[in-house]
Amino acid sequence: AQSVTQLDSQVPVFEEAPVELRCNYSSSVSVYLFWYVQYPNQGLQLLLKYLSGSTLVKGINGFEAEFNKSQTSFHLRKPSVHISDTAEYFCAVSDRDDYKLSFGAGTTVTVRA
Amino acid sequence: EAQVTQNPRYLITVTGKKLTVTCSQNMNHEYMSWYRQDPGLGLRQIYYSMNVEVTDKGDVPEGYKVSRKEKRNFPLILESPSPNQTSLYFCASSFYPGEKLFFGSGTQLSVL
Repeated sequence: AQSVTQLDSQVPVFEEAPVELRCNYSSSVSVYLFWYVQYPNQGLQLLLKYLSGSTLVKGINGFEAEFNKSQTSFHLRKPSVHISDTAEYFCAVSDRDDYKLSFGAGTTVTVRA
Repeated sequence: EAQVTQNPRYLITVTGKKLTVTCSQNMNHEYMSWYRQDPGLGLRQIYYSMNVEVTDKGDVPEGYKVSRKEKRNFPLILESPSPNQTSLYFCASSFYPGEKLFFGSGTQLSVL
């Protein structure tokens, strides 16, 4: 199974500023990559996923992520955040021939006015 | 409405008293999975199932059991709960492992 590292546990950011959340995984074998968001007291929702094709993936709510195979990274970005983006964000990785899905420890984003 | 339903939402129990957390999905998904969420550790997979009667261990299966007798249901069973199983539990489902996971609302379990 993959090991997933989210490099920042907490990211404070001002409203309308850009944000980047970093995610690295352990193996360069073929993978599926995901970012999920968890709003307070809720389950997780999919933001975006990479299965194949273009390395730049666009998701919901203005988020995008870039897959970098050589660096085994899948960083999430948003050019301008809103107060409503305050949440916990999880990177998840699955090997294509293994049905286990591994999550990172999460990054808490706090957006301030 | 497409959804994954978990019950109960909150559960307080004592060490050793068997319990079951139910999970049901109405989307005809093949793949179902259980996770536990602990602060600083993210979500860790407990068990998953690819189809009826097909289950397999995730990363933290010790102390848990599952069954998949029907496609829509995937209950999580704690035969003899211990305090280290106090956690927030999520059930999730998807058509296939590489597809979007739909999550339930979670079950907050406290074992005293």
